[in-house]
Amino acid sequence: TQLLEQSPQFLSIQEGENLTVYCNSSSVFSSLQWYRQEPGEGPVLLVTVVTGGEVKKLKRLTFQFGDARKDSSLHITAAQPGDTGLYLCAGDDGAGSYQLTFGKGTKLSVIP
Amino acid sequence: KAGVTQTPRYLIKTRGQQVTLSCSPISGHRSVSWYQQTPGQGLQFLFEYFSETQRNKGNFPGRFSGRQFSNSRSEMNVSTLELGDSALYLCASSPEWGGADTEAFFGQGTRLTVV
Repeated sequence: TQLLEQSPQFLSIQEGENLTVYCNSSSVFSSLQWYRQEPGEGPVLLVTVVTGGEVKKLKRLTFQFGDARKDSSLHITAAQPGDTGLYLCAGDDGAGSYQLTFGKGTKLSVIP
Repeated sequence: KAGVTQTPRYLIKTRGQQVTLSCSPISGHRSVSWYQQTPGQGLQFLFEYFSETQRNKGNFPGRFSGRQFSNSRSEMNVSTLELGDSALYLCASSPEWGGADTEAFFGQGTRLTVV
């Protein structure tokens, strides 16, 4: 059974600070996605990373896929209150299981 | 392009009843997956359908079932509801599966409360 461990579980920071969220596994993933979810809503896809070592930027968000495709990180620069939400990573094992394995998420609160 | 539509948004049911949830995927997407989300367990995979065929099923009891129609719309059914089935049920659609194509777009979910 593949597992994705996210850390930290909870993060409360002041507006303007930087933060990094980690997603780690002992298994290799063919692709990994990051989502943000707000209360009572479905997760919204932020990015998909496919190649080991890949770095993708989305405005103030930087996503990195580890060289061995077992881990990923999300870095937010100068966090804003609008960044508040639950950040989820999800991986596809590429073995034809047709399911995503999700981490339990990082709940981020950005205080104005 | 319309997103993934799930109906209803909210449901309250009594223990022992059954419930059917509906999901309309993004136009052109043929893969539909269902997930259960609870505070303690996070998102857990229920099943995935592609071209009306169930390709994979998660570790849930047989009370949980689903199907997909020829227009890719999907339904999931839960029979003999238990209190522990209270959760947010999420449907996701994907154009295909594999690598960069394994991008799941989620609906807003159906919040099921069993009393």
